Amino acid sequence: EAGVAQSPRYKIIEKRQSVAFWCNPISGHATLYWYQQILGQGPKLLIQFQNNGVVDDSQLPKDRFSAERLKGVDSTLKIQPAKLEDSAVYLCASSYALGYTDTQYFGPGTRLTVL
Amino acid sequence: AQKVTQAQTEISVVEKEDVTLDCVYETRDTTYYLFWYKQPPSGELVFLIRRNSFDEQNEISGRYSWNFQKSTSSFNFTITASQVVDSAVYFCALSEGAQKLVFGQGTRLTINP
Repeated sequence: EAGVAQSPRYKIIEKRQSVAFWCNPISGHATLYWYQQILGQGPKLLIQFQNNGVVDDSQLPKDRFSAERLKGVDSTLKIQPAKLEDSAVYLCASSYALGYTDTQYFGPGTRLTVL
Repeated sequence: AQKVTQAQTEISVVEKEDVTLDCVYETRDTTYYLFWYKQPPSGELVFLIRRNSFDEQNEISGRYSWNFQKSTSSFNFTITASQVVDSAVYFCALSEGAQKLVFGQGTRLTINP
């Protein structure tokens, strides 16, 4: 069974530029999550989707971050404009069922460097 | 509020030694789930175990074992006869009901040959 796919794996941009990350969850998984992991810290949830609806985006900086999950499968996370403090690894995860109690499976992440 | 504390920032041992990673959690709920994930240098978080609050039985999987003690709010992870391939950052995480998964700061484990 294929795991969670993410692209690109690495991205370097200058501050004030925009960037987008893509995620394809495990087939059949209804729930998709985006996390931000700053160096030396544990992942922090940015947004959770159930199918194509948003369940929790309370920690998403909505002035610059946006995410969508069209057709309830793939998802895109966008940052516009990027700031230096956005440098981090962006992890996508998916789980079969609704709810944080279900096991989440993670992709390899996208490492973003903002100069 | 949920909180997970992994007090050991870094641990370094010699191969074949046993090592225990500590995890202490805080929650007000009686129903919750605890997880351990491994993050190797490649960056992907690899799921290791999930335990619900009603199951205090210890678990063993090969060289890995987990000790869950509600009385001390701890969920510790032991690697027996460590190997170089065990080198990674290990995260403990907690979720309660419909609340988000909260991760600890992680413990960087280095196994030296």
